[in-house]
Amino acid sequence: GESVGLHLPTLSVQEGDNSIINCAYSNSASDYFIWYKQESGKGPQFIIDIRSNMDKRQGQRVTVLLNKTVKHLSLQIAATQPGDSAVYFCAENVRRNTPLVFGKGTRLSVIA
Amino acid sequence: DVKVTQSSRYLVKRTGEKVFLECVQDMDHENMFWYRQDPGLGLRLIYFSYDVKMKEKGDIPEGYSVSREKKERFSLILESASTNQTSMYLCASRWQTNQPQHFGDGTRLSIL
Repeated sequence: GESVGLHLPTLSVQEGDNSIINCAYSNSASDYFIWYKQESGKGPQFIIDIRSNMDKRQGQRVTVLLNKTVKHLSLQIAATQPGDSAVYFCAENVRRNTPLVFGKGTRLSVIA
Repeated sequence: DVKVTQSSRYLVKRTGEKVFLECVQDMDHENMFWYRQDPGLGLRLIYFSYDVKMKEKGDIPEGYSVSREKKERFSLILESASTNQTSMYLCASRWQTNQPQHFGDGTRLSIL
């Protein structure tokens, strides 16, 4: 079947390099943000989240940066590995008790 | 770990059939969601539920209905399947707002 990543922007990086995936979010009132990873044939997998009272949060090999001034979210992956190849989505919580709003996604392709 | 289980990975049905997609979560989550995912269109919200016997329309509810008789189970129903409902269907659940949504691995549904 067709890949869910068809027509998506693509980022290609060399194995071992750092990756930066960017996301512009829609609403200045959004107070919670998440990054998901979706591998082929699987559902989106939670990577890391951040609340609007923070501007940086680190996990294992991943860092999320939040710039509320320009409504920009980024995901940094350190020492990118072939297993990081996937489609990455950002999502925001626009209002309390509403579902997340998802971005269209970026395909990360790791070159060995 | 949160487990969201969708009953079928692949399903083939005929036009006009009534189709049931089942989703079960094992973490006592309050909120559950149904999305469809199509190339170039991203994740689109069909229906969601914040509690047992409650349901809310998402962005594209036409042609679908849902049932939530028990907290752990959220069913998506295609009343009379049509070819334009061929898609990947994803179920998700979360504890409450400003918490991660956790996804199942999806059901790839083909309507012939």
